[in-house]
Amino acid sequence: QKEVEQNSGPLSVPEGAIASLNCTYSDRGSQSFFWYRQYSGKSPELIMSIYSNGDKEDGRFTAQLNKASQYVSLLIRDSQPSDSATYLCASASGNTPLVFGKGTRLSVIA
Amino acid sequence: EPEVTQTPSHQVTQMGQEVILRCVPISNHLYFYWYRQILGQKVEFLVSFYNNEISEKSEIFDDQFSVERPDGSNFTLKIRSTKLEDSAMYFCASSNHRAEGANVLTFGAGSRLTVL
Repeated sequence: QKEVEQNSGPLSVPEGAIASLNCTYSDRGSQSFFWYRQYSGKSPELIMSIYSNGDKEDGRFTAQLNKASQYVSLLIRDSQPSDSATYLCASASGNTPLVFGKGTRLSVIA
Repeated sequence: EPEVTQTPSHQVTQMGQEVILRCVPISNHLYFYWYRQILGQKVEFLVSFYNNEISEKSEIFDDQFSVERPDGSNFTLKIRSTKLEDSAMYFCASSNHRAEGANVLTFGAGSRLTVL
């Protein structure tokens, strides 16, 4: 059974701080990793994708992948109240469908 | 920006009734998906569809479920005889490539199904 595990939170950070979200996955064959943001009652929205070990930066977001540890993280710099949402980690191997974690709820406090 | 559109946004039905959820994927996308999310739970894969046939399906996608692409634009999910536990948000998604071994999905806004 392929699993993606996330701490459900809530993770509370003050406005302007760095939010750190973590995810582990069970399938060592996973090759592709994604972070989606989901506002309450809305659909998932892709923020970042990462395929290679190391860091990938896009604006205020940095995704980090460590395949040896089966660990993916998302850093959000200069957190804003509008970043308050549930962040979903997802993985896939080859052409298999995405497997999602349950998500971590982030609350950015003004 | 191109988007995946879903109808209805909310449907309430009686247990045992048939339900059809409709999706219009992004026009140049070739791969289509249905996922569902029960309230407070994770997003779960139901089925993927490519080249007019199912390419993969999960254990959830039993004989009560079917998918169809009746014309060049619509992609539908039918639940033949709804059960209480089918109450969930159903998301349609599409993709036009398998980037580096996996799909980069664009999700529709979802159809909330409530079974009474």
